[in-house]
Amino acid sequence: EAGVAQSPRYKIIEKRQSVAFWCNPISGHATLYWYQQILGQGPKLLIQFQNNGVVDDSQLPKDRFSAERLKGVDSTLKIQPAKLEDSAVYLCASSPRGGRTDTQYFGPGTRLTVL
Amino acid sequence: AQSVTQPDIHITVSEGASLELRCNYSYGATPYLFWYVQSPGQGLQLLLKYFSGDTLVQGIKGFEAEFKRSQSSFNLRKPSVHWSDAAEYFCAVGAFSGSARQLTFGSGTQLTVLP
Repeated sequence: EAGVAQSPRYKIIEKRQSVAFWCNPISGHATLYWYQQILGQGPKLLIQFQNNGVVDDSQLPKDRFSAERLKGVDSTLKIQPAKLEDSAVYLCASSPRGGRTDTQYFGPGTRLTVL
Repeated sequence: AQSVTQPDIHITVSEGASLELRCNYSYGATPYLFWYVQSPGQGLQLLLKYFSGDTLVQGIKGFEAEFKRSQSSFNLRKPSVHWSDAAEYFCAVGAFSGSARQLTFGSGTQLTVLP
């Protein structure tokens, strides 16, 4: 079974530029998550999708971050404009149904450096 | 709001020695608890999870964890560490509200294994 795929793996941009990350979840998984992991910290949930609908985006900085999940499969996370403090690893995860006992499966992440 | 504390930022053990990683949580209801491991450049991999029942949980790679409600702890153990166990370990507590499935992670414990 293929895991969660993410691209690019690394991205370096200057502040005020825009950037987009792509995630392809495990086939058939209904729930998709985006996390932000700042160096030295644990991952922090940014947004959760159930199929193509947003379930929880309470921790997403909506003035600069946006995310969508087209057709309930792939997802993109965008930052516009980027700030220095956005430097982090952005992790995508998916789970089968979003049930309480479901395991979240994580992708390898995209490491973003903002200069 | 829920929170997780991992008191040890970095632990060093010799190969073959026993290991215990500490995790304390704060959550108002019955907790759903997880341990994940993250190797460099990799996503997080689930080691084990606790939802209910037996408070001693067995996981993959020879790891186990014990839930102690009175101490609000969920410590991870392994009787004999292998060099391949060197990685960063994250404890997490799950909070659920409707369809929202938020994992709150601790800041992680970096494990170094000496030959």
